Amino acid sequence: AQTVTQSQPEMSVQEAETVTLSCTYDTSENNYYLFWYKQPPSRQMILVIRQEAYKQQNATENRFSVNFQKAAKSFSLKISDSQLGDTAMYFCAFRAQETSGSRLTFGEGTQLTVNP
Amino acid sequence: EPEVTQTPSHQVTQMGQEVILRCVPISNHLYFYWYRQILGQKVEFLVSFYNNEISEKSEIFDDQFSVERPDGSNFTLKIRSTKLEDSAMYFCASSEGIYNEQFFGPGTRLTVL
Repeated sequence: AQTVTQSQPEMSVQEAETVTLSCTYDTSENNYYLFWYKQPPSRQMILVIRQEAYKQQNATENRFSVNFQKAAKSFSLKISDSQLGDTAMYFCAFRAQETSGSRLTFGEGTQLTVNP
Repeated sequence: EPEVTQTPSHQVTQMGQEVILRCVPISNHLYFYWYRQILGQKVEFLVSFYNNEISEKSEIFDDQFSVERPDGSNFTLKIRSTKLEDSAMYFCASSEGIYNEQFFGPGTRLTVL
């Protein structure tokens, strides 16, 4: 079974600064995907970024990038030039490629507040 | 942009009653999911559905739960006899393929009294 842990329940950052959200996971799978989802207040979860475990290069999407450390089973999200609209709950999630079908396993979430 | 929709946004029911939570997935998607989040806990997978049958379910998805795609657009989660511990936010999701991005709905908050 997979587990995902986000050890930071809450974080805050000043607008325009950089913040890093932590995520660790545990799995015996070799092929898997990792995701960061964002859930703004009263809105649905949307995918921010995904990383395939077989890729060594860290994924980036505009101001969002990840630091994927496969050996350490760590998958952190860096948000650069934070904006007020980045205020949301952020969930780290895992999906095995083969044995566990398509289910997502989520972490506890980190509530990020961007202050003006 | 197409979205997953869910109704109602909030459902209050008495313990022992049956509830049906409704979802309209994105129209060209083939895989459908239900997740739930009990207040203060993680989002948990319940069930996935493809080709009119359950493709995977978690240990949470016991006999009191069922899913159905009654027509070409709706995807429903039925809880036959609700318990206090079923109080949670229930999220529907859909994806185009089994390994494609899952798009989530806004959730239905179920309160069992």
